[in-house]
Amino acid sequence: QQQVKQSPQSLIVQKGGIPIINCAYENTAFDYFPWYQQFPGKGPALLIAIRPDVSEKKEGRFTISFNKSAKQFSLHIMDSQPGDSATYFCAASPNYQLIWGAGTKLIIKP
Amino acid sequence: NAGVTQTPKFRILKIGQSMTLQCTQDMNHNYMYWYRQDPGMGLKLIYYSVGAGITDKGEVPNGYNVSRSTTEDFPLRLELAAPSQTSVYFCASSPPGGDLRTGELFFGEGSRLTVL
Repeated sequence: QQQVKQSPQSLIVQKGGIPIINCAYENTAFDYFPWYQQFPGKGPALLIAIRPDVSEKKEGRFTISFNKSAKQFSLHIMDSQPGDSATYFCAASPNYQLIWGAGTKLIIKP
Repeated sequence: NAGVTQTPKFRILKIGQSMTLQCTQDMNHNYMYWYRQDPGMGLKLIYYSVGAGITDKGEVPNGYNVSRSTTEDFPLRLELAAPSQTSVYFCASSPPGGDLRTGELFFGEGSRLTVL
């Protein structure tokens, strides 16, 4: 019940395409859902986050879609660029710690 | 502004050796964390601290110890290194006044540890 399942493990998209990364959770006590972006050799950095009282949040080219009834949330990257190539982690939090997905390695081809 | 600084960046240990991973932050954050990252596994919380003098176990604390004598520093100690501790270790902090569930985490650049 404490797991966050993330898919796909890896994703290759052409520049300008819209990569979509999906996460699913089981614990209904989770109430905070951030996405972190990690470049090689660096620590993760917060990209965007959502609470379950809204179904969508947009920041620049990044959008989180949230489906509370299905217990799923996803990250969409509009007009993707080669500089978006990174590993993306979803996470969820019920209390004092974040539960992390396994990560998605995204490659945007020029 | 340095943010979260971890040392060393790389280290190779022999089985049974001990070492300390250092972490310091200059953002006056109350909360600090140690995570390990293994390929395809996401991040696992080892220990965390809500302030100087207060530490608590996370998801995978066995084989590790921490201390928090100051707001700035949160070292992680490995007492008897084992191959299972080969991993990339990240220290993180989050701002004062923030709910542990919602405070943005600021990560260091990681320490890559290999135990042979």
